[in-house]
Amino acid sequence: DVKVTQSSRYLVKRTGEKVFLECVQDMDHENMFWYRQDPGLGLRLIYFSYDVKMKEKGDIPEGYSVSREKKERFSLILESASTNQTSMYLCASSPSPTGPYTFGSGTRLTVV
Amino acid sequence: SQQGEEDPQALSIQEGENATMNCSYKTSINNLQWYRQNSGRGLVHLILIRSNEREKHSGRLRVTLDTSKKSSSLLITASRAADTASYFCATIAGTGKLIFGQGTTLQVKP
Repeated sequence: DVKVTQSSRYLVKRTGEKVFLECVQDMDHENMFWYRQDPGLGLRLIYFSYDVKMKEKGDIPEGYSVSREKKERFSLILESASTNQTSMYLCASSPSPTGPYTFGSGTRLTVV
Repeated sequence: SQQGEEDPQALSIQEGENATMNCSYKTSINNLQWYRQNSGRGLVHLILIRSNEREKHSGRLRVTLDTSKKSSSLLITASRAADTASYFCATIAGTGKLIFGQGTTLQVKP
């Protein structure tokens, strides 16, 4: 089975900190995605990548950047964390842009 | 932008009963997918139905797709307490991005 591993289940960071969320997949998938999930707003796509060193903006990229230096790793970066970035962050990978997606367990980030 | 909308938002049933969740979407799609999310965890893919398919089965799951009405339904038969979770439909449109609905929260009482 494909496994998508997110480095932390829970994170607490201070406002203004630079935050790195790491995601690693072990099945050679070309496509990787970052979503955030908030009550009442559902899942929203932040960034995605179809190949190494490639990145595309999703629906809510503001305040975020990503890095994909290796095929198996897709990192989400909060350049200067703010309280409105407190959320559940979900990473996913897929062999095809059309799915199905395999998700990690999520990182619940709290910015104080 | 939200593409899929699930109905109902919440559903509570007894173990052994069937659960039906509906999803409506707005634009033409490549495929429609259903996912399950247990509380506080990641999403698990359940089933994918392509735009040229009308019905698909997987174990106790049955998914239908009506592209003329832009709607889909997920039926879970003979539900179990372990089916308690949130269920999301998601669609792939021309953009190639998977867009999720708000989800249906299902509670199955033992």
